[in-house]
Amino acid sequence: NAGVTQTPKFQVLKTGQSMTLQCAQDMNHEYMSWYRQDPGMGLRLIHYSVGAGITDQGEVPNGYNVSRSTTEDFPLRLLSAAPSQTSVYFCASSYSRRLSNNEQFFGPGTRLTVL
Amino acid sequence: AQTVTQSQPEMSVQEAETVTLSCTYDTSESDYYLFWYKQPPSRQMILVIRQEAYKQQNATENRFSVNFQKAAKSFSLKISDSQLGDAAMYFCARRSDQGAQKLVFGQGTRLTINP
Repeated sequence: NAGVTQTPKFQVLKTGQSMTLQCAQDMNHEYMSWYRQDPGMGLRLIHYSVGAGITDQGEVPNGYNVSRSTTEDFPLRLLSAAPSQTSVYFCASSYSRRLSNNEQFFGPGTRLTVL
Repeated sequence: AQTVTQSQPEMSVQEAETVTLSCTYDTSESDYYLFWYKQPPSRQMILVIRQEAYKQQNATENRFSVNFQKAAKSFSLKISDSQLGDAAMYFCARRSDQGAQKLVFGQGTRLTINP
């Protein structure tokens, strides 16, 4: 298994540009999520999905869109990049069974810089 | 907002010594899960140890153990016989037992191991 993969690893954008961060997992996990990591603030949840066709907002969703057309893929879209979106982005996945201490598996992260 | 607080931005310890990283959290739930993640310079998030709130026994994983005080909402990580490879950022996280598996992270503690 490749686990959770993310592309690209690094990206530089200009303000106003759009792009999609890709995330895929091959573990047949129902639950997938996107976090951003900023210095001194830990990881914060952007959006999450409990299954194909179902998405919901996390703590910091503004400026980001997601979709979940398949179980494997969960792309994160920046419609009009802003310098405040400069961050490291992590995708994570896990089984989605209640009453179980499922581990979330994280991808390697994407470092995004918006100029 | 239900928060997780790590009050030690940085900690250092001599190799082979023991160090304890602190974490407190806020929740109104009785059942939930707590985690410690390690993030080395590679940026990969690695699960170190997990604790179910309904279990009174403290979790242990080799040199890593926790001191879980449910009434005080405290969840500290003890690393025994510290090794150079333990140097990393450490994040405490809480996950609700209700519905989606959203993680709430603390701000992180940077651990340095002195040879």
